[in-house]
Amino acid sequence: DAGITQSPRHKVTETGTPVTLRCHQTENHRYMYWYRQDPGHGLRLIHYSYGVKDTDKGEVSDGYSVSRSKTEDFLLTLESATSSQTSVYFCAISELDRFSYEQYFGPGTRLTVT
Amino acid sequence: AQTVTQSQPEMSVQEAETVTLSCTYDTSESDYYLFWYKQPPSRQMILVIRQEAYKQQNATENRFSVNFQKAAKSFSLKISDSQLGDAAMYFCAFSHQGAQKLVFGQGTRLTINP
Repeated sequence: DAGITQSPRHKVTETGTPVTLRCHQTENHRYMYWYRQDPGHGLRLIHYSYGVKDTDKGEVSDGYSVSRSKTEDFLLTLESATSSQTSVYFCAISELDRFSYEQYFGPGTRLTVT
Repeated sequence: AQTVTQSQPEMSVQEAETVTLSCTYDTSESDYYLFWYKQPPSRQMILVIRQEAYKQQNATENRFSVNFQKAAKSFSLKISDSQLGDAAMYFCAFSHQGAQKLVFGQGTRLTINP
C-alpha cells in the first residue's frame, strides 16, 4: 500500500470554526490532491498540488484553501466551517509519469460540522 | 470538459456468478487512461484495474477484466466468480494525457448475495 496517512481520521466541529486536515505521504510523489465524497456525487476535486508551493483549484474549491510547504505534506483548511462541508475527505497522490497516471488514496477523514 | 457516467447506481449478483458494471465517458482527447476503483465498507479507495487508451488489448487482473470500446467510449468492468469480499462501491475514473487530475463517475454499489 502507498504510504499515505490522513489526520485526524474523524472530527466534529461547530459552524464558523477553522479546521485543518493533514495529508502526509512517504512516497515522494510530486502530485497531491484533496477530494470530498458525498452521496450521489462520487469524488469531487477540491484542490491539488503539483509541487512544493504550487497549487491549483479543483471543481469545488470555494470555502477551502490549501498549502504545501514540503513534498510530503498537503494541508486542507476550512477557514470557517459550514454544515455543507460535512463530508468525507480523501487525500490522494500520483506521480503522473507516462506509465503511471493512477492515484493512490489515503484512508479518508470524516468531518461533521454541527 | 470530460465526463464519466455510471448508469447503474446499484447492482447485485449471486456469489460465484459473473457481473458487469458499466461506464461511459465523454472526451475529445485521443490519449487517455481509464481506471476502476473499489471502495469497500472500510472506505479505503483501492485501484482495481487500469487501461491505457493506446492499448487495444483489454486489461485483466485475476478475476477482474475490462471491455474497452474506444469508439463507443465505453469501459465496463467484469467480475468473474464473484466473492463476498467484492461487495463495495465501484468507481470508474478517467484522465487524459497531460491532465493532472482524475474525473470520477458517481459510483455503482455492488452487492454479493450468498
